[in-house]
Amino acid sequence: RKEVEQDPGPFNVPEGATVAFNCTYSNSASQSFFWYRQDCRKEPKLLMSVYSSGNEDGRFTAQLNRASQYISLLIRDSKLSDSATYLCVVMSDGAGGTSYGKLTFGQGTILTVHP
Amino acid sequence: ETGVTQTPRHLVMGMTNKKSLKCEQHLGHNAMYWYKQSAKKPLELMFVYNFKEQTENNSVPSRFSPECPNSSHLFLHLHTLQPEDSALYLCASSQRVVPEETQYFGPGTRLLVL
Repeated sequence: RKEVEQDPGPFNVPEGATVAFNCTYSNSASQSFFWYRQDCRKEPKLLMSVYSSGNEDGRFTAQLNRASQYISLLIRDSKLSDSATYLCVVMSDGAGGTSYGKLTFGQGTILTVHP
Repeated sequence: ETGVTQTPRHLVMGMTNKKSLKCEQHLGHNAMYWYKQSAKKPLELMFVYNFKEQTENNSVPSRFSPECPNSSHLFLHLHTLQPEDSALYLCASSQRVVPEETQYFGPGTRLLVL
């Protein structure tokens, strides 16, 4: 089983649509969770952190369910500029009990928003 | 944004060549990372440096040799690579090597091994 699994998509949605991405992770000891956005041929950039209580940033809402080891990202009122790959990222302790937080990236979900 | 820079942006090399990738961060961070992004595969962590000391080597073949002379600079020395090593190599940095810490990525070096 992959450490972090995402539906690769692609998701093709019209402007104004609401779209949801899901992600599951296998390491129950994982400590921190993030959504990154990666535009075509660019580097990943942090979109938002994900907290157990859920958090919202404008049109974006992220939620975490630790019991189910499940993370979600909801995008409301999609814009053309939202077209990108969305990466689910999970942080856990590094090997050998080091203090390093190891980031594991999912494969990414491709979103295309069309007019 | 110029927080994390990488050179070169593109590199084509033969299997017998030796080349180096360079990363520089201007954010005052203490931790730096190398990642590999292959087509249709998740981003893979290669190396972690914390205060210039390597703290993680994620089972990377010895044909990849990292070097961190100071907290602002990170190199990846390449020799006798294979065609399957062709990928986007991303450098990242963070203030500390702990959970919850955001990593900032450079633009990457797109490498093609012939």
